[in-house]
Amino acid sequence: QKEVEQDPGPLSVPEGAIVSLNCTYSNSAFQYFMWYRQYSRKGPELLMYTYSSGNKEDGRFTAQVDKSSKYISLFIRDSQPSDSATYLCAMIGAGANNLFFGTGTRLTVIP
Amino acid sequence: GAGVSQSPSNKVTEKGKDVELRCDPISGHTALYWYRQSLGQGLEFLIYFQGNSAPDKSGLPSDRFSAERTGGSVSTLTIQRTQQEDSAVYLCASSANGGEETQYFGPGTRLLVL
Repeated sequence: QKEVEQDPGPLSVPEGAIVSLNCTYSNSAFQYFMWYRQYSRKGPELLMYTYSSGNKEDGRFTAQVDKSSKYISLFIRDSQPSDSATYLCAMIGAGANNLFFGTGTRLTVIP
Repeated sequence: GAGVSQSPSNKVTEKGKDVELRCDPISGHTALYWYRQSLGQGLEFLIYFQGNSAPDKSGLPSDRFSAERTGGSVSTLTIQRTQQEDSAVYLCASSANGGEETQYFGPGTRLLVL
């Protein structure tokens, strides 16, 4: 079993839709959770960073962490064509060296 | 300021040849990471450098892979006797202090082994 599971998609939505992206994980040592966005032929860029269960909002983006269920989500409201990218969840344990990534979900927002 | 840079951006090589990939981290960042991104596999950790400490090489897939970080800044990832399964995007990231710190990624080097 992989440490982090993420549905690779692809996911296509119309412009303005609410997008829900999800990851599950198996390692209870993971304490810090990130969402990265990766445009084609670019490196990942950090979108959201959380370390506690609950919701964190940043503009149109909301990150949700449920440590009891080992489940994290990223919601995108009023999705835009510019949101079309691959979204990767990532997580790390306290004091650990490296991130563990999901495989990424490819999102296309259709105008 | 400048972000993480990597070179070359693309590399095509023949099976059995050696390749060197370069990473210039963000100035002042003490931690540097190499990851490999293969189609459908996500990002796979390779190696981690933190300051002058011995690197964490636990992610290197074979002894054909090695990396150095000179002067605590620039890093080179070397793949010897390349194989077709080495074809992937090799991403470098840096962070201010390592651990749970936010990692900033370079654009990657796309390696194709024919």
